[in-house]
Amino acid sequence: QQKVQQSPESLIVPEGGMASLNCTSSDRNVDYFWWYRQHSGKSPKMLMSIFSNGEKEEGRFTVHLNKASLHTSLHIRDSQPSDSALYLCAVSSNTNKVVFGTGTRLQVLP
Amino acid sequence: AQTIHQWPVAEIKAVGSPLSLGCTIKGKSSPNLYWYWQATGGTLQQLFYSITVGQVESVVQLNLSASRPKDDQFILSTEKLLLSHSGFYLCAWSQHLNQDTQYFGPGTRLLVL
Repeated sequence: QQKVQQSPESLIVPEGGMASLNCTSSDRNVDYFWWYRQHSGKSPKMLMSIFSNGEKEEGRFTVHLNKASLHTSLHIRDSQPSDSALYLCAVSSNTNKVVFGTGTRLQVLP
Repeated sequence: AQTIHQWPVAEIKAVGSPLSLGCTIKGKSSPNLYWYWQATGGTLQQLFYSITVGQVESVVQLNLSASRPKDDQFILSTEKLLLSHSGFYLCAWSQHLNQDTQYFGPGTRLLVL
């Protein structure tokens, strides 16, 4: 069964700091990677997607993808208390369902 | 713009009782629809997906069933609830199966006692 491992499980950063989250898939066929953010008691919302090797930046958020190592990372600079949430990585291939990772719980302290 | 509604917002049910959860998508024709389950603080587990009316595929066996009676409606149900059914149930839609961003509804929180 395909696994999607995220690390760390939890992360505490000070307001204004940098948060770095990691995600690795065990399925060599995956082509699509997403990062979702889920605030407590709410449903997940897609934050960023990346389908090609390299880097993508949107505001304070940067995502990296290395398809050879099946690894993606999300970096949040100038972290805000409102960024405190569960961050879920999701992957899929053309022939397989979307699989979500174990999640990283981020807490940004004021 | 597409909107997705789920009902009810929350339920407290007894073990062995029946359950029916609903999901409606507005503003999108022929969406791919999904049911997910999330244990408290846990990851999302895809339960079912549907490409078209009347067609539902099961992903995991959890003593639940799903149906798609209309293009914009997805129903999750069971005749007998188990304690392990407690959790957060999320309906989602996407443009393309598996290769596209999933848009989630607000969810239904279920507690089985």
